Amino acid sequence: DADVTQTPRNRITKTGKRIMLECSQTKGHDRMYWYRQDPGLGLRLIYYSFDVKDINKGEISDGYSVSRQAQAKFSLSLESAIPNQTALYFCATSDGLYTEAFFGQGTRLTVV
Amino acid sequence: KQEVTQIPAALSVPEGENLVLNCSFTDSAIYNLQWFRQDPGKGLTSLLLIQSSQREQTSGRLNASLDKSSGRSTLYIAASQPGDSATYLCAVDYNQGGKLIFGQGTELSVKP
Repeated sequence: DADVTQTPRNRITKTGKRIMLECSQTKGHDRMYWYRQDPGLGLRLIYYSFDVKDINKGEISDGYSVSRQAQAKFSLSLESAIPNQTALYFCATSDGLYTEAFFGQGTRLTVV
Repeated sequence: KQEVTQIPAALSVPEGENLVLNCSFTDSAIYNLQWFRQDPGKGLTSLLLIQSSQREQTSGRLNASLDKSSGRSTLYIAASQPGDSATYLCAVDYNQGGKLIFGQGTELSVKP
């Protein structure tokens, strides 16, 4: 099983719908992150969490919210999806400042 | 603004060639730099992590170097193989709690 698991892997949704992307990890890391990847723009940070009670906005948090349900679970929500939120979304974990980041396989989201 | 740049955006080489991928960053006060591989539509696989106090890291046919004073890192791939074809991403932790800033990647194609 993958260390960082994202569900669903693919999702098509309609404009205005609420959608949740889920991430779970078995690495025991405290830190979790959500990024989105767009062609030509690379990966950009949406939200991050350093522990269960900590939530921080990243570079592009508008239109998104997150929930850290447990050390191992970090969910990303789009309250009212819009077409320009069509992208590849990645969850990542790390255990501190100097150590590797580990990424999930990604969720491809299409908003029509 | 802290930025990461990767040049070229795409590279095509014949099998067996040694090659170098480049990554530059605008601020030398980094905590670490990480190289990733991404296959089409897939997640990111960590290749090498270089901490700010290190000059290079090696894993198999891969060698990554770091020169903070010039704001540059290189990923050297020896004896390239078709299976090395992928997009290679460079990411920097700019002393911001493990949040990564990514370059836009170099798409590598190794021809048989």
